Amino acid sequence: DVKVTQSSRYLVKRTGEKVFLECVQDMDHENMFWYRQDPGLGLRLIYFSYDVKMKEKGDIPEGYSVSREKKERFSLILESASTNQTSMYLCAIGTAEPSGNTIYFGEGSWLTVV
Amino acid sequence: AQKITQTQPGMFVQEKEAVTLDCTYDTSDPSYGLFWYKQPSSGEMIFLIYQGSYDQQNATEGRYSLNFQKARKSANLVISASQLGDSAMYFCAMREGRTGNQFYFGTGTSLTVIP
Repeated sequence: DVKVTQSSRYLVKRTGEKVFLECVQDMDHENMFWYRQDPGLGLRLIYFSYDVKMKEKGDIPEGYSVSREKKERFSLILESASTNQTSMYLCAIGTAEPSGNTIYFGEGSWLTVV
Repeated sequence: AQKITQTQPGMFVQEKEAVTLDCTYDTSDPSYGLFWYKQPSSGEMIFLIYQGSYDQQNATEGRYSLNFQKARKSANLVISASQLGDSAMYFCAMREGRTGNQFYFGTGTSLTVIP
C-alpha cells in the first residue's frame, strides 16, 4: 500500500510566523505534490517536485516555497504566514503504474493562521 | 473552460440504496485517466477507482463502479448498497496524458447517507 505521511494534522500559527509542513513517503516515488483545499474551490496545486531538488510552480505558488533535499521528504514552507493561508493542505505522491500515473494523498494538515 | 465539472454540490441517499455522482470532463487529449476520491470529515483523500481512456470496460472496485461514457465525456461514480460510512465528499479528477503529472479536480459532491 502507498503510504504518505503528513507530520502535523492540526496547526495554529500566528501571522508572520514561518511555517513548515512536512510530508514523507515510504517508497521511492519521484513525484510529490502540495495542494491547498478550500471550500468551493476544490484542490489547487501549489508546487510539484519530480526529483530531489527539482520543483515546479503550480497554480498558486505565491506566498509558498518548497524543499526536497531527500527523495522521501517534501516540505511546504510559508515564509511569513498570513490569515488568507488558513486552509487544508494536502500532500500527494504520484505513482507510475501500467495504466498511467496515479496520485495518492496523505491525511491532510489543517492550518489556522491567527 | 472547466476541465472537471461536478454539478451536484450535495446529494442524499437512503441506506442500502444505490447512488450516482455525476462528473463530466473536458479534454482534447486522446489519452487520459479519470479518478474518484472520497474525503471523509477527517480530511484524508482516499483513492477509490480509476478509469483509463482506452479501457473498454467500466472500472469496478467492490461497491464502486465508474460509468464511463466517452462520447458524452462523463465519468459518473456509482455506489451500490450505500452505507452510513459512505457519507463524505467525493471528488472527480482527471489526468491528461498517460504519464502526465497535471491532475485536475472537480469541486466535489457532498454525499449524505440517511439511515
